[in-house]
Amino acid sequence: DAKTTQPTSMDCAEGRAANLPCNHSTISGNEYVYWYRQIHSQGPQYIIHGLKNNETNEMASLIITEDRKSSTLILPHATLRDTAVYYCIVRVPGASSNYKLTFGKGTLLTVNP
Amino acid sequence: DTAVSQTPKYLVTQMGNDKSIKCEQNLGHDTMYWYKQDSKKFLKIMFSYNNKELIINETVPNRFSPKSPDKAHLNLHINSLELGDSAVYFCASSQAGLGNEQFFGPGTRLTVL
Repeated sequence: DAKTTQPTSMDCAEGRAANLPCNHSTISGNEYVYWYRQIHSQGPQYIIHGLKNNETNEMASLIITEDRKSSTLILPHATLRDTAVYYCIVRVPGASSNYKLTFGKGTLLTVNP
Repeated sequence: DTAVSQTPKYLVTQMGNDKSIKCEQNLGHDTMYWYKQDSKKFLKIMFSYNNKELIINETVPNRFSPKSPDKAHLNLHINSLELGDSAVYFCASSQAGLGNEQFFGPGTRLTVL
């Protein structure tokens, strides 16, 4: 799996957009970008994933640069419940040799009232 | 309605004991996993099973023995517990193939005294 780099922590005001960056400059052509988060004392939760096009679901949007070397997860209207550690992971989904997620240190997002 | 469940939620035991953690998923997935999160919050894969067959064993001591009686269950048995086994253990499941997002259980906090 390609290595990812994320800021250790970020703050965001409640109701504002939270933009979480991730660098993955060594990503290969068949690797997807996945985002998970872990709210304190809970199991990790899948958020979104994408290959090269921007993606949006009910939780967030994922913007991947054209060269695919970096991406940004956007929470459009952050709430206090979005305070969590956010993990950016790049991997090839479904590959028989890749039945795992390799978590880095992630970004601790703190949403402030 | 719980997608991935684990029992027990908390487990406190003495060094040298043998204990088991159970995991069940009702999502119809064919792949299940065990992850360990240590005191420094690093999440690391331990095992993954696909259709009841072991796919990944990430250099876990053989005191840890996963057992998958069917595709919906993946239990973790730990022999001769050591202080260093204290951690939160997460079970997860996914459906192999494109996407392959993993769904995590609530975790089992194991404390070895």
